[in-house]
Amino acid sequence: DAGVTQSPTHLIKTRGQQVTLRCSPKSGHDTVSWYQQALGQGPQFIFQYYEEEERQRGNFPDRFSGHQFPNYSSELNVNALLLGDSALYLCASSWWSGTGGGSPLHFGNGTRLTVT
Amino acid sequence: GQQVMQIPQYQHVQEGEDFTTYCNSSTTLSNIQWYKQRPGGHPVFLIQLVKSGEVKKQKRLTFQFGEAKKNSSLHITATQTTDVGTYFCAGPGGGSNYKLTFGKGTLLTVNP
Repeated sequence: DAGVTQSPTHLIKTRGQQVTLRCSPKSGHDTVSWYQQALGQGPQFIFQYYEEEERQRGNFPDRFSGHQFPNYSSELNVNALLLGDSALYLCASSWWSGTGGGSPLHFGNGTRLTVT
Repeated sequence: GQQVMQIPQYQHVQEGEDFTTYCNSSTTLSNIQWYKQRPGGHPVFLIQLVKSGEVKKQKRLTFQFGEAKKNSSLHITATQTTDVGTYFCAGPGGGSNYKLTFGKGTLLTVNP
């Protein structure tokens, strides 16, 4: 039973470029959340997708966008990259819990993005 | 917005010593979750607490949820080198139960 898979594992981009990160959820999960984790910090919520719709968004600018596909996989897109976007980007999958709050998250290994 | 705070930020212990990390939320939580992240790894779910005053044990780890459901703690008895990592608490909230808000974590290092 495959867990959450993310690609690529590492990425180096230049300021102003655009990047797309990909995520396949754990088998049986229908909800995908994206988190940004700076060095020495806790994961920061970017957004969550369920039924191909963005259900909740964290405090991130519109440069961050996403998509969920019918097979539940997801993409995170970041436009006009800034140096401050350098971080570990984590995808987490779960069962949809609606307003019940907090179905446990299963994280992928993450994508390490470096912006130079 | 909702804040989840953890103390201490760092803890270094000798192998065999006990360790405790504390988590406090600015809002009442419907549940609280704990995750462990090994150096260079990703967060791994440990446990979820739902009930006021709940206590759960996993071998040497004891998790507590406060009576007011705004604080929690993780206690490790007789630490081992395999306990090394950052321990995060996380709770739903911030105006929505759709997302989990993570604390900054407590980094535990163990001297063998």
